[in-house]
Amino acid sequence: QSVLTQPPSASGTPGQRVTISCSGSRSNIGINSVSWYQQLPGTAPKLLIYSVNQRPSGVPDRLSGSKSGTSASLAISGLQSEDEADYYCAAWDDSLNGVVFGGGTKVTVL
Amino acid sequence: EVQLLESGGGLVEPGGSLRLSCAASGFTFYNYAMTWVRQAPGKGLEWVSSISSSGSTYYADSVKGRFTISTDNSENTVFLQMNRLRADDTALYYCAKVGETGSYSANDFWGQGTLVTVSS
Repeated sequence: QSVLTQPPSASGTPGQRVTISCSGSRSNIGINSVSWYQQLPGTAPKLLIYSVNQRPSGVPDRLSGSKSGTSASLAISGLQSEDEADYYCAAWDDSLNGVVFGGGTKVTVL
Repeated sequence: EVQLLESGGGLVEPGGSLRLSCAASGFTFYNYAMTWVRQAPGKGLEWVSSISSSGSTYYADSVKGRFTISTDNSENTVFLQMNRLRADDTALYYCAKVGETGSYSANDFWGQGTLVTVSS
């Protein structure tokens, strides 16, 4: 059971917009920044979003992050076949004094 | 170019020990915090431990008292000493560099991982 809760799966057709939610609590998402990672099969995770809505160099702007209260979201616009991957949210948790991850969401492009 | 190369994984019996290493290059190592994250076969990501640039350490409850993170700034290397290993420690262990914000949840570069298998 992960501290951050994500839906196990999400899907869409090419060109659609897909949103992945990440639900936490005051001690993590409520007061700390949120990061999002993409993990393609057989590869290491890749940082997509940090500080809720900032993108590292090279991450396309069709990916965006947001936060409201104790929940965060990752939106993928203009869905492409290359977006098929597992996505994870993460945040520091002040109560646990450590990083917590969501359980991951598998995105399928139909 | 930032590179992180993990080593030291392998097969170990329950109760045994392993020391993982992560050799870093392409950035000023001593200025950045570092993190270990693991992934059990077919499972999600699990944070294991982080160390700040000043040497402060943080551990997941599941490894506290058994694992120790450390760095050698002269060798640009971060270590994870793992003692009293259990079957549920079996995982691919990733080394990651903490990004410019200093937030331990925002790791901007990752290694390819080293596999630890705990089994008799």
